[in-house]
Amino acid sequence: KQEVTQIPAALSVPEGENLVLNCSFTDSAIYNLQWFRQDPGKGLTSLLLIQSSQREQTSGRLNASLDKSSGRSTLYIAASQPGDSATYLCAGSGTSYGKLTFGQGTILTVHP
Amino acid sequence: DAGVIQSPRHEVTEMGQEVTLRCKPISGHDYLFWYRQTMMRGLELLIYFNNNVPIDDSGMPEDRFSAKMPNASFSTLKIQPSEPRDSAVYFCASSPAGGMVLTFGAGSRLTVL
Repeated sequence: KQEVTQIPAALSVPEGENLVLNCSFTDSAIYNLQWFRQDPGKGLTSLLLIQSSQREQTSGRLNASLDKSSGRSTLYIAASQPGDSATYLCAGSGTSYGKLTFGQGTILTVHP
Repeated sequence: DAGVIQSPRHEVTEMGQEVTLRCKPISGHDYLFWYRQTMMRGLELLIYFNNNVPIDDSGMPEDRFSAKMPNASFSTLKIQPSEPRDSAVYFCASSPAGGMVLTFGAGSRLTVL
């Protein structure tokens, strides 16, 4: 059974810092890896999707990488802003793409 | 598009009562998912549908839980009878064919007293 772990559980940084969120998974048979953002009281917003044949994806200040051999994914946020404050979740899936196994999330606080 | 619409947003009920959560997926999306989020267990998939047909309900915790999708624009998740341990945020999500990128609703926060 796939298990997904996120480190750290919480992170507080000053505005402008570059930061890395980590995600590890136990089953290297992972097919897709997604990063989501969740704001308090809201649903999840998909940030980046790394498909099976890919190793990384970029969107604006966000970059996500996937290393299946080591069972790890990282989300890099450049030049963090207070608006980036949220919970970030990674989730993996097998060939049933929407059947996601989520990590517990990293609570990010970016203070001015 | 208004996105995935869930109702009610908040529900407080007493143990033993029936609870019905509703979801309207994005028009044209073929897949619909029900997830549950708790502090202890995080986000877990309960069930998902493809073209209104249940494909995998292995995450449904027990027989008290049931889900239906009578048509492409509506789904329900029912708990009968409800118990305090069912207290959670229930999310509905939908995705287009291929099921890769999910759009989540805002969730229904259920509190069972």
